[in-house]
Amino acid sequence: GAVVSQHPSRVICKSGTSVKIECRSLDFQATTMFWYRQFPKQSLMLMATSNEGSKATYEQGVEKDKFLINHASLTLSTLTVTSAHPEDSSFYICSARTPGQSSYEQYFGPGTRLTVT
Amino acid sequence: AQSVTQPDIHITVSEGASLELRCNYSYGATPYLFWYVQSPGQGLQLLLKYFSGDTLVQGIKGFEAEFKRSQSSFNLRKPSVHWSDAAEYFCAVGAVGTYKYIFGTGTRLKVLA
Repeated sequence: GAVVSQHPSRVICKSGTSVKIECRSLDFQATTMFWYRQFPKQSLMLMATSNEGSKATYEQGVEKDKFLINHASLTLSTLTVTSAHPEDSSFYICSARTPGQSSYEQYFGPGTRLTVT
Repeated sequence: AQSVTQPDIHITVSEGASLELRCNYSYGATPYLFWYVQSPGQGLQLLLKYFSGDTLVQGIKGFEAEFKRSQSSFNLRKPSVHWSDAAEYFCAVGAVGTYKYIFGTGTRLKVLA
């Protein structure tokens, strides 16, 4: 149980275009999803927290107009990188939390490798 | 400020040897603690977690960790390392209320045959 998927696993796009990454909780309802960015050989940096039906909360320094997050249902959150540039190339990982005040465990997706040329 | 420190960036051990990965945290309350493992190009897999109770926690793949409040530590151990354990290991603290994770910088484990 508690499986999170991401699609696509890899994507290459040209500079200036937009790309959408999907994060799905397959067998549970996720009231909260998190989006992380990971540079090579570095740790995960939280980009934003996404709650179903409300606007995402972005971490300091993350451009909300560049990284659009939508959490339209309890099983799907999307991250759209708008007007992508080579510096946006990175590994993006989502995670999902099950409902409940005592639920602190996050379930992670397999990640999406974005390369902007 | 809340933080997680993994002092060892790289660790190399021989297969069959014991392993200890260090994790220290700075957090104002009793933390929720996690250890994750990440293979190259993959997502994170939960090894074990501590919420409360017994301070020695058993996880998957033969790993265990001990929560020591007095030392603000949550070190990961394994008595005998296998070559397949080579990966990146992350310690994380779960922030009460926001449910956010604060990750350490990770420790890359190399296993010698």
